[in-house]
Amino acid sequence: AQSVSQHNHHVILSEAASLELGCNYSYGGTVNLFWYVQYPGQHLQLLLKYFSGDPLVKGIKGFEAEFIKSKFSFNLRKPSVQWSDTAEYFCALNMIKAAGNKLTFGGGTRVLVKP
Amino acid sequence: DTAVSQTPKYLVTQMGNDKSIKCEQNLGHDTMYWYKQDSKKFLKIMFSYNNKELIINETVPNRFSPKSPDKAHLNLHINSLELGDSAVYFCASSQDPGSPGNTIYFGEGSWLTVV
Repeated sequence: AQSVSQHNHHVILSEAASLELGCNYSYGGTVNLFWYVQYPGQHLQLLLKYFSGDPLVKGIKGFEAEFIKSKFSFNLRKPSVQWSDTAEYFCALNMIKAAGNKLTFGGGTRVLVKP
Repeated sequence: DTAVSQTPKYLVTQMGNDKSIKCEQNLGHDTMYWYKQDSKKFLKIMFSYNNKELIINETVPNRFSPKSPDKAHLNLHINSLELGDSAVYFCASSQDPGSPGNTIYFGEGSWLTVV
């Protein structure tokens, strides 16, 4: 069965620091990969997604992620974080199946940006 | 306009009660989902419906019964609530499952607390 692992459960950093969140998945077939963000008390919002093509994907709010197929990874990066980036970040995988598809989520990484 | 809306946003109820959470999407999507986020922020799919037909049921207790009167609505009814049912329940929707442009959009969540 497919799975998604996020190695860091909690990350604390200061404003202007660079952020990288790890995401690895286990699935042998073709995947769609996503990063969602959940701000405190809010719903999940899509940051970016990878379906095909350029493995370096740019999303909203200055985030980007790189799909490395050989490493089964889809790490999220932001060069300079802001206090407003404090949130929970979820990596997710989607397999397109004839009978339906579902997002499989990683366990999330809680990011706290200190002002 | 809210794309995926669910009600109520907050619900506190006693063990043994029966409750429902309603969900509506105005995106014209064919597929709707219910996800459960537990106290550790772990997200997991519960159900998926495509054009009112159940296509994914992830070993959810039969006390949980989704109902889809039309493809724009997917309600979740829970019988005989238990303490462990306390969680945030997210409704979501997407286009046809087989579409390569498939992105899942989430509602704002319903915070259920069973006391």
